[in-house]
Amino acid sequence: NAGVTQTPKFQVLKTGQSMTLQCAQDMNHEYMSWYRQDPGMGLRLIHYSVGAGITDQGEVPNGYNVSRSTTEDFPLRLLSAAPSQTSVYFCASGLLAGGETQYFGPGTRLLVL
Amino acid sequence: ELKVEQNPLFLSMQEGKNYTIYCNYSTTSDRLYWYRQDPGKSLESLFVLLSNGAVKQEGRLMASLDTKARLSTLHITAAVHDLSATYFCAVDQRGGSNYKLTFGKGTLLTVNP
Repeated sequence: NAGVTQTPKFQVLKTGQSMTLQCAQDMNHEYMSWYRQDPGMGLRLIHYSVGAGITDQGEVPNGYNVSRSTTEDFPLRLLSAAPSQTSVYFCASGLLAGGETQYFGPGTRLLVL
Repeated sequence: ELKVEQNPLFLSMQEGKNYTIYCNYSTTSDRLYWYRQDPGKSLESLFVLLSNGAVKQEGRLMASLDTKARLSTLHITAAVHDLSATYFCAVDQRGGSNYKLTFGKGTLLTVNP
C-alpha cells in the first residue's frame, strides 16, 4: 500500500493562477479531506468527502473547489490563487466507521507570490 | 461551533522529567485523536480514544479521555530528546453525513539534554 499520496510536493504560483493539488489513497477509505496548516493555527479543514460524488465544506472553504469522482482520488482546485493561500496542504483519508484514525499524506507546500 | 484548546502551546522540558499536555474541547464528543508532527513532516497518529475513561499508552506517552469534563491529557514520562515534536489533539464531530476533525493549535515540545 502506498497509503495517501500527494502531488506536487512543492509549488510556486503567481497571484491569479490556478492549479490542482492531487491526492490519492489506495486503502479503499470512504472519507477524504483537505487541510491547510499555517504557523500557530493548527490544521484547518477546507473540504471533505464521505464518498464518491459527495463533498462538503469545512472551516475555510473559500477559494477552493473539490470533487470526488472516484473513491481513490480527491483533488483540490485553487481557481485564482492569492497570497493568503500560501500554506502547507495536507490530504487525509480514513474509514467512516468508528475506531479509526485518519491517515495523512506527505503534504504540498504552496507559495503564492 | 466546536473549539479545541491545547495548553501549553510551547513546552520546554529537561530529559527525565514528566509533564502533561491538556486538550479541552467545547462540545460533546466521545472520539479524540492525538497526532505527532516532526518539523517539515506529515502527521503521525499516536492514539485513538473512543470512550469516556479510555486510556492508551505507548512507550513514554500515555493519553486519556474524560468526556464529561471534555478533557484529554497526553502525559509524558521521563522525557527523552526523541520526543521533541509538535503534538496535536483532534476532536471528531459526527452527525448525519458530517464527519469533521477539529484540531487544536498544537503543542511544540522541546526536550533538552
